[in-house]
Amino acid sequence: EVQLVESGGGLVQPGRSLRLSCAASGLTSDDHAMHWVRQAPGKGLEWVSGINWNGDSIGYADSVKGRFTISRDNAQNSLYLQMNSVRAEDTALYYCAKGNGDNPNYYYYAMDVWGQGTTVTVSS
Amino acid sequence: ETVMTQSPDSLAVSLGERATINCKSSQSVLHSSNNKNYLGWYQQKPGQPPKLLIYWASTRESGVPDRFSGSGSGTDFTLTISSLQAEDVAVYYCQQYYRTPITFGGGTKVEIK
Repeated sequence: EVQLVESGGGLVQPGRSLRLSCAASGLTSDDHAMHWVRQAPGKGLEWVSGINWNGDSIGYADSVKGRFTISRDNAQNSLYLQMNSVRAEDTALYYCAKGNGDNPNYYYYAMDVWGQGTTVTVSS
Repeated sequence: ETVMTQSPDSLAVSLGERATINCKSSQSVLHSSNNKNYLGWYQQKPGQPPKLLIYWASTRESGVPDRFSGSGSGTDFTLTISSLQAEDVAVYYCQQYYRTPITFGGGTKVEIK
């Protein structure tokens, strides 16, 4: 069974940085897309970023472009989100999710496995 | 950005009755090269992460009860719960993954009448 466990969330001041991690277990290969999706308190789902299997194809939401960086280390079965210049509106529960597609070169797939999330609170 | 608009915002249905949720995309999510609609449906219960129900607009995820079905093409899609069960109380989201940014609908809350 594939499991995703996020970590790295916490309270951070506006303008500072934070790095989220997602550890994957139970995966038989690394040829799958990965995503970060967030959910502000009481709100809906917002896709943040996606990455293909080797990092050659990456996408970001406009709201985080230029501030956040997604990366992965397949040897460590890990996904990361470097969050710089954070803002109050970045306050949310951040989920890591696995794409369900069969072409490892793309991240344009639905998300079939989700972690429980890690909470980021941006406040002074 | 492809805007996903769900309707209604909330829905109260009697146990055993049909529930229908609509999702409209501002641009087509049908890929001409493979004739697939890049559209997914998710269920989220309180305090839980989302769960994938349907992908490619109509393909049921493994383990999802067959009372859940998806239909539609291009810009108009529907999620149907044929016979609502108590455990189906949740918020349902549609999502397009055809183009970046990937976008979700605003969600539809399904309750028991």
